Amino acid sequence: EVQLLESGGGLVQPGGSLRLSCAASGFTFSSYAMSWVRQAPGKGLEWVSAISGSGGSTYYADSVKGRFTISRDNSKNTLYLQMNSLRAEDTAVYYCAKDRVAAANPGGMDVWGQGTTVTVSS
Amino acid sequence: DIQMTQSPSSLSASVGDRVTITCQASQDISNYLNWYQQKPGKAPKLLIYDASNLETGVPSRFSGSGSGTDFTFTISSLQPEDIATYYCQQYDNRLTFGGGTKVEIK
Repeated sequence: EVQLLESGGGLVQPGGSLRLSCAASGFTFSSYAMSWVRQAPGKGLEWVSAISGSGGSTYYADSVKGRFTISRDNSKNTLYLQMNSLRAEDTAVYYCAKDRVAAANPGGMDVWGQGTTVTVSS
Repeated sequence: DIQMTQSPSSLSASVGDRVTITCQASQDISNYLNWYQQKPGKAPKLLIYDASNLETGVPSRFSGSGSGTDFTFTISSLQPEDIATYYCQQYDNRLTFGGGTKVEIK
């Protein structure tokens, strides 16, 4: 069974840092681009970042560029999101998601984790 | 950046009704458009990929159409279990979601 399990969320002060992890199983992790998508309380979905299967290409939303870093360790089947200079508006549930097809660029996401909650507050 | 304008933001319909949601891209995205369903407290679920292809296991009452800048998502006969928020998402240039459409039962 294909599964994604996020961890690392929590309460952090404005300006602080947090690293999210997403453990993948049930598929050839290195073949698929992966994304992080977030959802602020009561709001819609916002794509945050994506990374190619090899890790050689990364993509960011303008709202997080320069503050967040996506990475992956294909030997550990794990995706990461390093979040620095956190702001109140980064408060959200963060989902990791797997691309539907093994392609070079991110596209549609067919498997999602259950989400991990990040709260930025003093 | 490509903006995705989804309408309506919410709708109320009766069981058995035909429901239509539209999504407009700020520029030509060919058919690089997906549709998701999200129920409260749950992760999104992919329903339609590449504008008109039904994801495996998704009921055939769901369909999508369109290309370029204008896209349509249809539920041919609304069922109680379809109560959810629906999102379009483009992947022509990075990824962007539409604002969502909350579907309720009248």
